[in-house]
Amino acid sequence: AQSVTQLDSHVSVSEGTPVLLRCNYSSSYSPSLFWYVQHPNKGLQLLLKYTSAATLVKGINGFEAEFKKSETSFHLTKPSAHMSDAAEYFCVVSEKFSGGYNKLIFGAGTRLAVHP
Amino acid sequence: ETGVTQTPRHLVMGMTNKKSLKCEQHLGHNAMYWYKQSAKKPLELMFVYSLEERVENNSVPSRFSPECPNSSHLFLHLHTLQPEDSALYLCASSGPSGEDTQYFGPGTRLTVL
Repeated sequence: AQSVTQLDSHVSVSEGTPVLLRCNYSSSYSPSLFWYVQHPNKGLQLLLKYTSAATLVKGINGFEAEFKKSETSFHLTKPSAHMSDAAEYFCVVSEKFSGGYNKLIFGAGTRLAVHP
Repeated sequence: ETGVTQTPRHLVMGMTNKKSLKCEQHLGHNAMYWYKQSAKKPLELMFVYSLEERVENNSVPSRFSPECPNSSHLFLHLHTLQPEDSALYLCASSGPSGEDTQYFGPGTRLTVL
């Protein structure tokens, strides 16, 4: 069975400093991995997706994530945090089904706080 | 947020009311999903429709009744809900077949009194 573990429930950084949100996954095959972001009282927005084309994936708003198979990790980073980055971030693995749909397995989420 | 829309955005209902949540996707997708997001709990997949056929029902109580009249619309009919059903209900869509990225709507914040 596939699973996702987000190692930090809360991360707090100062504006302008780097962001690191950690995620480990468990999958019996090469997975599709995602990071989604959720701002307060909003739906989930796709940040980036890994599909095995490249291990370093660039997403929106300056975020990127690196797939490391040997470590079963898919950590999310950003060089310089902005106040608008404060939100909840979800690491997600996808399980495909033959009926033309898939199921997303969500991590518990990491709440990112950005201080001036 | 124009790809997947949800109405209403906020809903307050009593335990004896009947209401419906609506989701519409403008992305040409063939699969649609309902999720429940409660405070302090991971997102829970409730229902999946693929090509307008329900393919997943994750042990959801019968007081939640989904409907997918066509590939662009998804409804969640609610009746005799409980206060613990208060949550953010999210709709998502994906497709075509083989593409597993799900796109989410803004959600409906439901409060059951």
